[in-house]
Amino acid sequence: QKEVEQNSGPLSVPEGAIASLNCTYSDRGSQSFFWYRQYSGKSPELIMSIYSNGDKEDGRFTAQLNKASQYVSLLIRDSQPSDSATYLCAVLGFNDMRFGAGTRLTVKP
Amino acid sequence: GAVVSQHPSWVICKSGTSVKIECRSLDFQATTMFWYRQFPKQSLMLMATSNEGSKATYEQGVEKDKFLINHASLTLSTLTVTSAHPEDSSFYICSARETPGQPQHFGDGTRLSIL
Repeated sequence: QKEVEQNSGPLSVPEGAIASLNCTYSDRGSQSFFWYRQYSGKSPELIMSIYSNGDKEDGRFTAQLNKASQYVSLLIRDSQPSDSATYLCAVLGFNDMRFGAGTRLTVKP
Repeated sequence: GAVVSQHPSWVICKSGTSVKIECRSLDFQATTMFWYRQFPKQSLMLMATSNEGSKATYEQGVEKDKFLINHASLTLSTLTVTSAHPEDSSFYICSARETPGQPQHFGDGTRLSIL
């Protein structure tokens, strides 16, 4: 079992819709969770961090964490074509950050 | 804040050449830096982790004599690809973090093409 699992996609949503990206992790002791966005040919960029159960909102982005289910998600409201990218889930254990393989999102105009 | 600068952005060189890539944390002290490699349409592959003043820890399958990593200061790490060959052509990305509980911040990456 991979330590951090994401659906590789591609996930395609129409412009203006809500995009939902999901991630599960295996290390129950993980405390910190992050979402990175990577545009094609570019390096990853940190867009959200979440440390406690529940929702955290930042503009059009909402991160959701459920430690009991070992599940973290990212919702993008009012999706724009500029949101088209690969989204990487990252989980910080005791000393190591582990990345999922990423979900490729395409927002169609 | 948390800016990581990576240089150069592009390198094209002949087979057998050694190439050095620099990674600098500009506004924080990076106790740990990471080096990744990414092939087209594939996920990030961690190559090695380096702590300032210590030898780098390499992931399984990564040749430490081929990919030399130096992390001599809290703001600079270098990756040297020695005697590069076409199969070493890839996108190399560094990242840095200030403390173990902090997220990693990535440089812009270096696209290496070996002819």
